[in-house]
Amino acid sequence: DAGITQSPRHKVTETGTPVTLRCHQTENHRYMYWYRQDPGHGLRLIHYSYGVKDTDKGEVSDGYSVSRSKTEDFLLTLESATSSQTSVYFCATRTGWNQPQHFGDGTRLSIL
Amino acid sequence: QKEVEQDPGPLSVPEGAIVSLNCTYSNSAFQYFMWYRQYSRKGPELLMYTYSSGNKEDGRFTAQVDKSSKYISLFIRDSQPSDSATYLCAMWGIIQGAQKLVFGQGTRLTINP
Repeated sequence: DAGITQSPRHKVTETGTPVTLRCHQTENHRYMYWYRQDPGHGLRLIHYSYGVKDTDKGEVSDGYSVSRSKTEDFLLTLESATSSQTSVYFCATRTGWNQPQHFGDGTRLSIL
Repeated sequence: QKEVEQDPGPLSVPEGAIVSLNCTYSNSAFQYFMWYRQYSRKGPELLMYTYSSGNKEDGRFTAQVDKSSKYISLFIRDSQPSDSATYLCAMWGIIQGAQKLVFGQGTRLTINP
């Protein structure tokens, strides 16, 4: 257990509304990641962070933004949710550049 | 062609069988190889993490890496119903100056009592 807590665990919302997902870690890991997992696509990287206030885009970043104001928290925001963003979202962390990632238990997000 | 290919299954075997799960990859720049286990409605859990070619054993699990063939395997001995899950391979390397981690799509495994 890498001490990763995602909240909320489940959320249902409507198209066009803003949504923020939170990832909280207790391990003081430098690197944090947001993925989405969809059938047929596997895990795809949305955004990642390599330190406080240091973030970068992944392969599916359109429609998403992130913020990291503290080491322990990494927020993912959907500015105006669309039905195509219905997915399971996972947060991951790792200690160093050549270390494996450890995952939280995910947030199931449904956008109607 | 996908960078990492993994047969999605499903794979169903009787309890006690030896299970073999496999992934192939196309980019020789991948250096680190991982296997994750994911139970339904849970996050991926790291099982094995290897760097070099060869075998790494941890209890009933053995990870095998063949860099020359760009092929990795996970073997599960004396499989148990509790091993029923989706298994994801993953590999990491520095490609075109950037760190890249790529996951396979996962193989869904069921162990029948």
